[in-house]
Amino acid sequence: DTGVSQDPRHKITKRGQNVTFRCDPISEHNRLYWYRQTLGQGPEFLTYFQNEAQLEKSRLLSDRFSAERPKGSFSTLEIQRTEQGDSAMYLCASSPSQRAYNEKLFFGSGTQLSVL
Amino acid sequence: KQEVTQIPAALSVPEGENLVLNCSFTDSAIYNLQWFRQDPGKGLTSLLLIQSSQREQTSGRLNASLDKSSGRSTLYIAASQPGDSATYLCAVMNRGSWGKLQFGAGTQVVVTP
Repeated sequence: DTGVSQDPRHKITKRGQNVTFRCDPISEHNRLYWYRQTLGQGPEFLTYFQNEAQLEKSRLLSDRFSAERPKGSFSTLEIQRTEQGDSAMYLCASSPSQRAYNEKLFFGSGTQLSVL
Repeated sequence: KQEVTQIPAALSVPEGENLVLNCSFTDSAIYNLQWFRQDPGKGLTSLLLIQSSQREQTSGRLNASLDKSSGRSTLYIAASQPGDSATYLCAVMNRGSWGKLQFGAGTQVVVTP
């Protein structure tokens, strides 16, 4: 399977703990995106990378959130000092080239985070 | 500020009936509009992408139209099947926001045998 891969699929943590999610995009896709989706809502944009450069971050991404994409391959999203409001599905997506305004995004299956 | 709305939030139809799903948006300055399917607890699968210069796109039993001037898109699914049961989301890519999609809340569809 050469689709977007996310790990883990599910994560349960206690409030105040740190968590890290990983996303492996489709090989050779230049752009990588992180979205967050809560129950009954559409996904909301968090941040995106063009190769290894993080080009934009949403205001939703507080200082407790950090994302990296070393060497322009896989990406990690870390949440420090988790809060119950962080409980959501975290989705990763990738697209193939720099002409992103008319390309489809390919999504992974997501990481479901539950903060107790 | 762009707003994307999908009405109704849920829809139930008998198998074989055609499905009509609506999406509206408030700002016509978009690069494209995309339709996605999401199964429970899963990620999103891209169905159709309509560029701002296009009026419609078709793939198999799916047809999506775009009327940018009125801020509307419609997804038609012909001869629905129980396997079409899922949540359908529309999303716009606003001009000046390359690669970023703004989603509606989705329409949950149930096709009964």
